[in-house]
Amino acid sequence: RKEVEQDPGPFNVPEGATVAFNCTYSNSASQSFFWYRQDCRKEPKLLMSVYSSGNEDGRFTAQLNRASQYISLLIRDSKLSDSATYLCVVIGFQKLVFGTGTRLLVSP
Amino acid sequence: DAGITQSPRHKVTETGTPVTLRCHQTENHRYMYWYRQDPGHGLRLIHYSYGVKDTDKGEVSDGYSVSRSKTEDFLLTLESATSSQTSVYFCAIGDTGELFFGEGSRLTVL
Repeated sequence: RKEVEQDPGPFNVPEGATVAFNCTYSNSASQSFFWYRQDCRKEPKLLMSVYSSGNEDGRFTAQLNRASQYISLLIRDSKLSDSATYLCVVIGFQKLVFGTGTRLLVSP
Repeated sequence: DAGITQSPRHKVTETGTPVTLRCHQTENHRYMYWYRQDPGHGLRLIHYSYGVKDTDKGEVSDGYSVSRSKTEDFLLTLESATSSQTSVYFCAIGDTGELFFGEGSRLTVL
């Protein structure tokens, strides 16, 4: 089993839709979690941290489910500019692991 | 945006030749990293540095070496490039999961 797994997608959604994707992790001792966004042929950029109680940043909501060992990212009112690949990052035992990413395509 | 620049941004070379990629930061950050990104593998850590002359291996360090003689510069060297090292290389600074990446260096080894 991979340490961190993401559905590669693509998730195709219309503008204005709500979309969510998950990232599962295998190390139950993982301590810190993040979401990054990567545009095509660009560098990854930090989107948000994921806190135990869940957290929101504008249209984006991140949640952690320790019991089932996954984190999620919810995007409300999708914009064309949200089209990108979303990478999750999991840190456990001082080891940082990137997921392979979920591709999101938002269409008019 | 964090001040991180990578050079060269694109390079095509032949198998067996040495290649050096440079990462330069203006943030005075202690930690610097080199990652490679390949389809289906995501970002994988090659080497990292936690200070001048302090470096350590990541998960895919074979065939690569690094040096950090100044806080601002972190060099990645492929002593003898192979086709399996064709990839996009990203430098990053930061810690505890909050990383800031350079724009990447696209290397093709023929």
